[in-house]
Amino acid sequence: DGGITQSPKYLFRKEGQNVTLSCEQNLNHDAMYWYRQDPGQGLRLIYYSQIVNDFQKGDIAEGYSVSREKKESFPLTVTSAQKNPTAFYLCASRHAQKNSPLHFGNGTRLTVT
Amino acid sequence: EDQVTQSPEALRLQEGESSSLNCSYTVSGLRGLFWYRQDPGKGPEFLFTLYSAGEEKEKERLKATLTKKESFLHITAPKPEDSATYLCARGDTGRRALTFGSGTRLQVQP
Repeated sequence: DGGITQSPKYLFRKEGQNVTLSCEQNLNHDAMYWYRQDPGQGLRLIYYSQIVNDFQKGDIAEGYSVSREKKESFPLTVTSAQKNPTAFYLCASRHAQKNSPLHFGNGTRLTVT
Repeated sequence: EDQVTQSPEALRLQEGESSSLNCSYTVSGLRGLFWYRQDPGKGPEFLFTLYSAGEEKEKERLKATLTKKESFLHITAPKPEDSATYLCARGDTGRRALTFGSGTRLQVQP
């Protein structure tokens, strides 16, 4: 079955360490997205990519970095510069067709202590 | 700035008690209004897309409607399995990404 795989489901890190969250999709979607979800705040856009080797900052990109070397993969690095990294991170993808819905993975819960 | 506001933040219903969730949005540059369902610890699951005022879509006990400024998610005779957080999101003509509201947490008691 096609879908979006995020790994790991739970991730624990010490403050000051960079950490990379994996996102892989086999839906042949062109566009991929990273959102962050905090309690009571809905989803906020971190980065998105419409095509391979290109990506744009979202609303809260500071302290994060991404790469898009392959169509299927869009890893997110949470750097030590991110002040409040503990959150639920969601990866999504969609067809290039305008207004097509986002399809989400099941998220990675990151805890930094 | 794109804005999506959902109300109420939380809603508790008895099984069979119909109600509606509200989503108000910034009108300028709207390219679709999306509804998602999210279960705890999971990613959002797509429900509906609405494009123009007057449009309605249905799926089982859920019906989504769209006016010029708001969208409603009507839940008819809900069951406990309808308990979830319901998210509303807008697409826009510029940035090819969705802007989400903070959601409505629905609890349906048997």
